[in-house]
This record gives sequence, structure tokens and C-alpha cells, in this order.
Amino acid sequence: GQQVMQIPQYQHVQEGEDFTTYCNSSTTLSNIQWYKQRPGGHPVFLIQLVKSGEVKKQKRLTFQFGEAKKNSSLHITATQTTDVGTYFCAGMRDSNYQLIWGAGTKLIIKP
Amino acid sequence: ETGVTQTPRHLVMGMTNKKSLKCEQHLGHNAMYWYKQSAKKPLELMFVYNFKEQTENNSVPSRFSPECPNSSHLFLHLHTLQPEDSALYLCASSQDEGNEQFFGPGTRLTVL
Repeated sequence: GQQVMQIPQYQHVQEGEDFTTYCNSSTTLSNIQWYKQRPGGHPVFLIQLVKSGEVKKQKRLTFQFGEAKKNSSLHITATQTTDVGTYFCAGMRDSNYQLIWGAGTKLIIKP
Repeated sequence: ETGVTQTPRHLVMGMTNKKSLKCEQHLGHNAMYWYKQSAKKPLELMFVYNFKEQTENNSVPSRFSPECPNSSHLFLHLHTLQPEDSALYLCASSQDEGNEQFFGPGTRLTVL
């Protein structure tokens, strides 16, 4: 079936370093959403990308949607302790508006 | 955030018990969802309701039974669960299917 693969599963960074997580779909998506889940919390919506090649920024976060609408990335510049958590992508199928969730990337700040 | 509430927040139950999880959304949304989140499979969609009608059942065992009496309330009835069902159960809602989802705080379920 249709899948969204998200890598890496974990990323350890020093505070101040950059962080990137990638999502790839086996088929074209109508849009992709990104969520953040803090430790002990629940997923919180960050952004939705709809257009081919779209790039959106939220302060230090940059979100991209690929030209073929099959892949997406989230890049965080100069990570801070408040960025700690798991970042999920969720792609929407064209056929039935269902979201297909990636497995998440856990951002860990090294002490 | 109080848009989506879930009760109880924590639940410990034996394999022969029957319990129910409750979710309520105060956002006027039309779609509601149940997810299971465990260490092995981070976020699994279980059920989707849109305008009170079930639109998705992701091959969930029958020991989990959803109920959606109206567009603001969603229940998950639990019966004869297994220890591997221990997980965080998250409820979410969205204006319509495919829109951004708003999650509740979850119910941490432990099956002994």
C-alpha cells in the first residue's frame, strides 16, 4: 500500500547545530503536513504544504515540498533546547483524503 | 489547549475488564480520529469518523469498538485486551478529513 518513509529515526545534535528530517512517498501526494510532538505531549500541527516545489519558513524552520510532490523535508537552523521532540510528516492521499503518517524523527540535543 | 479533551488520562486494566475511553472536541469539527501510539509503531490510525459516520477502520481487532454518538464526542470501548495493547491512545479532530488535525492529550493505557 501507499507509504510515507521518514528518515532518520533519530538525530543527535549539539545545540546550535542544524537538523533535517526527510519524508518520501511511493506515490504523489495532494499535500503534506508536519507535526511536532514534545516528550510526554501530543502531536501539534506545524504547517501544510500543497504546491509543487513549495517552500515555507517559520522562524528557524524551513519546510519544502518536492517538485513531484512525493517528498518533503523539514530543516531547523541552529537548534535550541525548545526544538527537542519528534517531528512527523503526514501525506494526504488524493483518493480518499486520508493522511499517511511517517514514523517520525526524534530530535535529541546532546548535553 | 482545551480544544480536544480525553478522559481518563491514565488507565490500568486487566485483560478481562471492559472500559471506555472518551474524547470530546469543542472546535466544531466534522471529523474525529482514534490513533494508537506505542514504541514499536509510533502513530497508527485506528478509526476515522466524518459527520458521525465511520469512514476508515484500519484492520483494528474487534476488541476495540468505536462509537460516535455525535460530531463532538467519540468513544473507544475496550474489551478483553491483551498486554500488547498497552499504548498511548490519542484522539484528534479536524474540520474535515484531510485538514490539519488537533490532538487531545491522550490516554495512557496499561493492560496487565
